[in-house]
Amino acid sequence: QQKVQQSPESLIVPEGGMASLNCTSSDRNVDYFWWYRQHSGKSPKMLMSIFSNGEKEEGRFTVHLNKASLHTSLHIRDSQPSDSALYLCAASNMGYKLTFGTGTSLLVDP
Amino acid sequence: DAGVTQTPRHEVAEKGQTIILKCEPVSGHNDLFWYRQTKIQGLELLSYFRSKSLMEDGGAFKDRFKAEMLNSSFSTLKIQPTEPKDSAVYLCASRVNTGQLYFGEGSKLTVL
Repeated sequence: QQKVQQSPESLIVPEGGMASLNCTSSDRNVDYFWWYRQHSGKSPKMLMSIFSNGEKEEGRFTVHLNKASLHTSLHIRDSQPSDSALYLCAASNMGYKLTFGTGTSLLVDP
Repeated sequence: DAGVTQTPRHEVAEKGQTIILKCEPVSGHNDLFWYRQTKIQGLELLSYFRSKSLMEDGGAFKDRFKAEMLNSSFSTLKIQPTEPKDSAVYLCASRVNTGQLYFGEGSKLTVL
């Protein structure tokens, strides 16, 4: 069964600092990766997606993908207290069902 | 446009009861998912429909969990009979083809 592993489980960064989150899939058929953010008590909302090798940047958020190792990472620069949330990584094969990791809980310390 | 609507937002059930959770996807979306979210297991897929056809029924959840999609704008998830270990947040999500998932606010179930 496809597994999506995320690390670290939790992370504390100072306000203005850089947060780095990791995600790896064990399914070699995966071709899409998604990052969702879930604030406490709210539903997950998509942050970024990536399916090509390399890097994608949107504002303070950068996603990297290495398809050979099925590893993606999310980097948040100039972290803000409002970035404190659960970050979920998901992987899918040919856009089929999404399998989610258990998430990284990020706390930005003001 | 309305997002994904889930009802009820909170449900308390006694062990052994039957509960039905409801979901209205975003209009025009053809894929619908039911997930269960707990702190330990994260998001677990319960069911996946494409154009009202059941594509995935979540394996381990087959025996007491049944999702249906009677039309393109309404889905239900029935849990029968409920057990305390079913206490979780149940999330419904929809999307167009392979696009991003849009989640509802969830139904929090507590089984006593």
